[in-house]
Amino acid sequence: EPEVTQTPSHQVTQMGQEVILRCVPISNHLYFYWYRQILGQKVEFLVSFYNNEISEKSEIFDDQFSVERPDGSNFTLKIRSTKLEDSAMYFCASSKGKWTEAFFGQGTRLTVV
Amino acid sequence: QQQVKQSPQSLIVQKGGISIINCAYENTAFDYFPWYQQFPGKGPALLIAIRPDVSEKKEGRFTISFNKSAKQFSLHIMDSQPGDSATYFCAATDYNQGGKLIFGQGTELSVKP
Repeated sequence: EPEVTQTPSHQVTQMGQEVILRCVPISNHLYFYWYRQILGQKVEFLVSFYNNEISEKSEIFDDQFSVERPDGSNFTLKIRSTKLEDSAMYFCASSKGKWTEAFFGQGTRLTVV
Repeated sequence: QQQVKQSPQSLIVQKGGISIINCAYENTAFDYFPWYQQFPGKGPALLIAIRPDVSEKKEGRFTISFNKSAKQFSLHIMDSQPGDSATYFCAATDYNQGGKLIFGQGTELSVKP
C-alpha cells in the first residue's frame, strides 16, 4: 500500500538553527500539505501546495517557514530560525485532489532546545 | 468561523458498547467532513468521511450522522473494541480552501475490556 514517508522521525535542534523536514508524498498525488501537532493538542494546518506553488497557508506559516518540491518526489518544510514554540510533531500529507482523502505520514518530532 | 468544536475531550466505553463523538461547525461553506483516527506516535488515518448531501454514512462498525441544519456531525462506533482505543479527530474543509483541513480538538477514546 502506498504511503507518505517522512524523515527524520525525530530531530533535535538548537534555538535559532535552521531545520529541514523531508517528505516523500504518494507518487500520483497532486496536493501536498504540512500540518503540526503540539503535544496533546489538535492537528493544525500549516500550508498546502499544488502545481509548484502554495495554494493556502495559515497564520502560523510566517516568513520563518518555507516549502519546496525540489524534485519530482520530495516535499520539504524549512524553518529558518527555530524557536522553542516550534517544538511539535510535524505531519506531511498528500492527496489526489482538494476534496479527496489526505494520507498522512508518520510525522517528524521536532524538539527545539 | 473556521473552528470545528469537538466533544467530549475523553471517553471511556466498555467493550461492546457504543462510542459517540460529536462535532459542530459554523462555516456553512464546509462541504467535506472526514473523521481521522490516530494511535500514539502515528499520523492521523482517515476512518470515514461524509459530504453534506447525505445524512448518514456507514462503514462497518463506524457511522457518521450529519445534521446540516444544526451544523453538527457525529461519529458512532458500534460494538466498540479495545483496539478502537485511540484519539479521534473530526475535520472539515471546503473545496475552495485548497484541501486545508480544519481539525477538532480530538477525543481520546478508551475501550475497557
